[in-house]
Amino acid sequence: QVQLQQWGAGLLKPSETLSLTCAVYSGSFSGYYWTWVRQPPGKGLEWIGEINHSGSTNYNPSLKSRVIISLDTSKNQFSLKLISVSAADTAVYYCVRYGGLPVWHFDLWGRGTLVTVSS
Amino acid sequence: DIVMTQTPLSLSVTPGQPASISCKSSQSLLHSDGGTYLFWYLQKPGQPPQVLIYKVSNQFSGVPDRFSGSGSGTDFTLKISRVEAEDVGVYYCMQSVQLPYTFGQGTKLEIK
Repeated sequence: QVQLQQWGAGLLKPSETLSLTCAVYSGSFSGYYWTWVRQPPGKGLEWIGEINHSGSTNYNPSLKSRVIISLDTSKNQFSLKLISVSAADTAVYYCVRYGGLPVWHFDLWGRGTLVTVSS
Repeated sequence: DIVMTQTPLSLSVTPGQPASISCKSSQSLLHSDGGTYLFWYLQKPGQPPQVLIYKVSNQFSGVPDRFSGSGSGTDFTLKISRVEAEDVGVYYCMQSVQLPYTFGQGTKLEIK
C-alpha cells in the first residue's frame, strides 16, 4: 500500500526558511504530480504547488516568489521550501499525490506537519 | 484565480435528515475536453481530506450512495440524503479546471 511520510521543522522564526520533505513508499514515483497543500489553523485548504517525476513544476502565483518544490527520484522523495516565512505561513502542510483514476484528483495524503512561525 | 464560494459555512443536522451544500465558482468549470472539473472532499476531524465526488456528480469507489452531486457551469450542490453520525466534518468543493487549484472555504457539518 502506497504511503506518504513527511517530516520537517515544526517551529520557525519569521524570515527563516520552511523546509519539508515527503517520501513515497511502496509506489511508483512516475505518472503523478506530487503536491503540497496547506491549511492554516481552523481555516481552509490552499494549493501551494506541484512537481512531476521529470521535474516540471507549477506554483500558486500567490506564493511563487517564495516557493521551491524539488524532487529526488533516487530516494522517491519530494520537498518543499518556503523562504522568508511569516506568521501568515503558520499552517498544517500536507504532501499529496495528484493522479489516479478515473480522473486525476488528490488521492493520497500525508498526515500533515504543523509548522508554526513565531518569534 | 477561480474563487470558490460555499454556503452555508456551517450546518447542524439531525441524523436521518437531508443536508445540502452549495458551491459557486467565479468562472465556469467546464473544460475544453467537455468535462466539468468540480470535486467534493470531506475532511473528518483530525484527518486529511478524502475525496467524495468527481466531475460534479460521480461518486468515487466506496463512497456511500447517500452522497450525490449536481450542477453545471458555475453552480454546484452536494446533497446528503440521510445524514449519519460518521458524516461530521468539513466539506470542501474544489476546482481543477485551471491552475492554481482552489478550494471553497469549507462547510462544517455537525450532528444535532
